[in-house]
Amino acid sequence: DTGVSQDPRHKITKRGQNVTFRCDPISEHNRLYWYRQTLGQGPEFLTYFQNEAQLEKSRLLSDRFSAERPKGSFSTLEIQRTEQGDSAMYLCASSQRGDYNSPLHFGNGTRLTVT
Amino acid sequence: DQQVKQNSPSLSVQEGRISILNCDYTNSMFDYFLWYKKYPAEGPTFLISISSIKDKNEDGRFTVFLNKSAKHLSLHIVPSQPGDSAVYFCAASAIAVSTGTASKLTFGTGTRLQVTL
Repeated sequence: DTGVSQDPRHKITKRGQNVTFRCDPISEHNRLYWYRQTLGQGPEFLTYFQNEAQLEKSRLLSDRFSAERPKGSFSTLEIQRTEQGDSAMYLCASSQRGDYNSPLHFGNGTRLTVT
Repeated sequence: DQQVKQNSPSLSVQEGRISILNCDYTNSMFDYFLWYKKYPAEGPTFLISISSIKDKNEDGRFTVFLNKSAKHLSLHIVPSQPGDSAVYFCAASAIAVSTGTASKLTFGTGTRLQVTL
């Protein structure tokens, strides 16, 4: 399977703890995106990278959130001091440079539950 | 502000009939539109797309229509099959001035389609 891989699939944590998620994109894709989805809503954009450069961050991404893509391959999303409102599905997607004939390919997400 | 709107949260259609899912957008800078399908516990899967220079794109049973003046697009599925039962998301993007390429996708809230026997 050469699709987008996310780890872990589920994470339960207590409020105040830090969590880190990993995303491995499709190997030839140089763009990587993070989205968040809550119940009854569509995916909301958080941030994206082209290779190792973080090109855009949403205002949804508070100071407690940080994303990295150190070598332009896999990416990590860290949430510090988690809050109950952080409970959501975190989706990673990749594409080839944002060309119109290269839509985003999503992973199956990491479901975060903050208790 | 919800720039991409899917006003019907759910739709039920009989197998073999046509399913029509609607989407409206407010941002006139959007010039590329996509539909994604999502099954439970899976990520969204790309279905079909259309650029603003076209008003129709067809792929098998799926056709997307774009009405730029009305800022409206629709997805037609003919004939509908039980395996089409899923949540369908409309998404849109614009050219990013800084890079000259498409940037992030903005999604609607989704329409849950149920195809009944």
